[in-house]
Amino acid sequence: EDKVVQSPLSLVVHEGDTVTLNCSYEVTNFRSLLWYKQEKKAPTFLFMLTSSGIEKKSGRLSSILDKKELSSILNITATQTGDSAIYLCAQGGFTSGTYKYIFGTGTRLKVLA
Amino acid sequence: GAVVSQHPSRVICKSGTSVKIECRSLDFQATTMFWYRQFPKQSLMLMATSNEGSKATYEQGVEKDKFLINHASLTLSTLTVTSAHPEDSSFYICSVPDRVNSNQPQHFGDGTRLSIL
Repeated sequence: EDKVVQSPLSLVVHEGDTVTLNCSYEVTNFRSLLWYKQEKKAPTFLFMLTSSGIEKKSGRLSSILDKKELSSILNITATQTGDSAIYLCAQGGFTSGTYKYIFGTGTRLKVLA
Repeated sequence: GAVVSQHPSRVICKSGTSVKIECRSLDFQATTMFWYRQFPKQSLMLMATSNEGSKATYEQGVEKDKFLINHASLTLSTLTVTSAHPEDSSFYICSVPDRVNSNQPQHFGDGTRLSIL
């Protein structure tokens, strides 16, 4: 069974800290790795990664994929209280003949003022 | 504006009631839609893939007779939780995949928070 695992499960930091969130996957028909931020309702899309070693960046957030290690990291620098959320990664690809997204366990980030 | 509309946003009902949740694609035709469930402090779990004009594809462990999915048109998929019980209380959210827009691979509805008393 395909599995997407994130670590740590939860994290508490202070404003200004830098955090690194991890996502590992074990899938046979990989196409993409997605990162989302979820606060109260629907997840908000952050990044889609398909190529290994190419960093994607948006403001204080950046992410990179390592296909050799079957993993990805999401970095947040100079964290702010508004970064408090659940961060989800998801693997996109064909599983049992259907293209779908399998979500990881999530990392709950709390940033203290 | 919203690309996907999901209704209702919140349902509170008695045990044994059947609840229907609608997911509408507003901006483009959707041959496929996804239904997820999220328990408190857990991740999104894919329940099923809804296919327009044909049967839904359910994930392992999801009861087909319990969670009825209908995708009769290219813009509407419905999930009916039949004879709901307290253990079915959860956050249900649909999404519409977007194979064209790499900046937004799937568009989520706002979700439905279901509470069964």
